[in-house]
Amino acid sequence: GIQVEQSPPDLILQEGANSTLRCNFSDSVNNLQWFHQNPWGQLINLFYIPSGTKQNGRLSATTVATERYSLLYISSSQTTDSGVYFCAVELGRNSGYALNFGKGTSLLVTP
Amino acid sequence: DAEITQSPRHKITETGRQVTLACHQTWNHNNMFWYRQDLGHGLRLIHYSYGVQDTNKGEVSDGYSVSRSNTEDLPLTLESAASSQTSVYFCASSRLQGSPLHFGNGTRLTVT
Repeated sequence: GIQVEQSPPDLILQEGANSTLRCNFSDSVNNLQWFHQNPWGQLINLFYIPSGTKQNGRLSATTVATERYSLLYISSSQTTDSGVYFCAVELGRNSGYALNFGKGTSLLVTP
Repeated sequence: DAEITQSPRHKITETGRQVTLACHQTWNHNNMFWYRQDLGHGLRLIHYSYGVQDTNKGEVSDGYSVSRSNTEDLPLTLESAASSQTSVYFCASSRLQGSPLHFGNGTRLTVT
């Protein structure tokens, strides 16, 4: 099956710093989404981004489908950004359109 | 507001018992999914459904079953609970194939 690799696995930032999280995938994908799991365990959809660039406040994401990677940018980080960030990809009809998740990047933002 | 509700939030059961986890969504989404989350494995797909009477196996379906009798509900049944099924279970839904996925708050299941 498709491999979804996220880096770095762990990241510690001081409040106000910027960061870039990376997601590499091993095959062409129809669909790519980024999620944030907060410290209470809730999974929140951040971006639906099969290609191109999107921005939502301090977060932005870029997917370069032809090179099989996506980046999530967090600017001016806040303690509420802490949690785990997951990238998930969908192969399309042959895999049933379900999302395959990477193992995540665990982010801790300190005051 | 539309939402996905999972129940119970926490469950402790004994090995060998049958357990059913509920998932109810008011988004009127066609697609519903069950994932389990374990340390070191991330989120893995158990079963999914693209509509009433449709069910499909995911990556880790052994020991689990689902049924879809209406649009709103996709209950997950553990036929005979095993300690290896101790996990956090998430239900999710999306409107169409390729649409953004939305998750419930999860059920923490402990099998003793």
